[in-house]
Amino acid sequence: DAKTTQPTSMDCAEGRAANLPCNHSTISGNEYVYWYRQIHSQGPQYIIHGLKNNETNEMASLIITEDRKSSTLILPHATLRDTAVYYCIVPPDNAGNMLTFGGGTRLMVKP
Amino acid sequence: ETGVTQTPRHLVMGMTNKKSLKCEQHLGHNAMYWYKQSAKKPLELMFVYNFKEQTENNSVPSRFSPECPNSSHLFLHLHTLQPEDSALYLCASSQGPGQGFSPLHFGNGTRLTVT
Repeated sequence: DAKTTQPTSMDCAEGRAANLPCNHSTISGNEYVYWYRQIHSQGPQYIIHGLKNNETNEMASLIITEDRKSSTLILPHATLRDTAVYYCIVPPDNAGNMLTFGGGTRLMVKP
Repeated sequence: ETGVTQTPRHLVMGMTNKKSLKCEQHLGHNAMYWYKQSAKKPLELMFVYNFKEQTENNSVPSRFSPECPNSSHLFLHLHTLQPEDSALYLCASSQGPGQGFSPLHFGNGTRLTVT
């Protein structure tokens, strides 16, 4: 697996953008970057994924560097309900949907 | 509502008990998964079923026995568990392999305590 490195925790003020970084320097050409989050007492929830282009959906934006060695998940206007653990995952090309979750980043959105 | 329902939400059992966890998905998916989430540890993949066939067993002890009678239902049968098996057990589903990208949809888990 391409190893990912994320900060253990981050704080963000409510209403501000939350920028969550992820390093994946050993990523290979066909491996996607996936982001999930887990709100307390719930199962993980898919957010977004990308290969090389920046992606945006109703939940977040994903910015992938040109060399693909890192990415940033952006929550443009964080709310208290965005407080969660955010997981950046880069499965092997042949892993299908067998995702390996690391420790993630615990994002605390504060009023 | 995630489309994946797990029951019970909480379960307390003794080490000599036999119990089962149930998962049901209403999303028309063909793949189902069991994950274990222990305190202070990342999620661990336990089992994968594709089109009702078990395709992955991640070195899980035999005291955990999965069953997938159809693509919509997944069970985890538990017997002679140990206190260290106390954890949140999460079920997930997705489209099966070869059917294009499909994110995992998780249930909210069963919180298991073994006494």
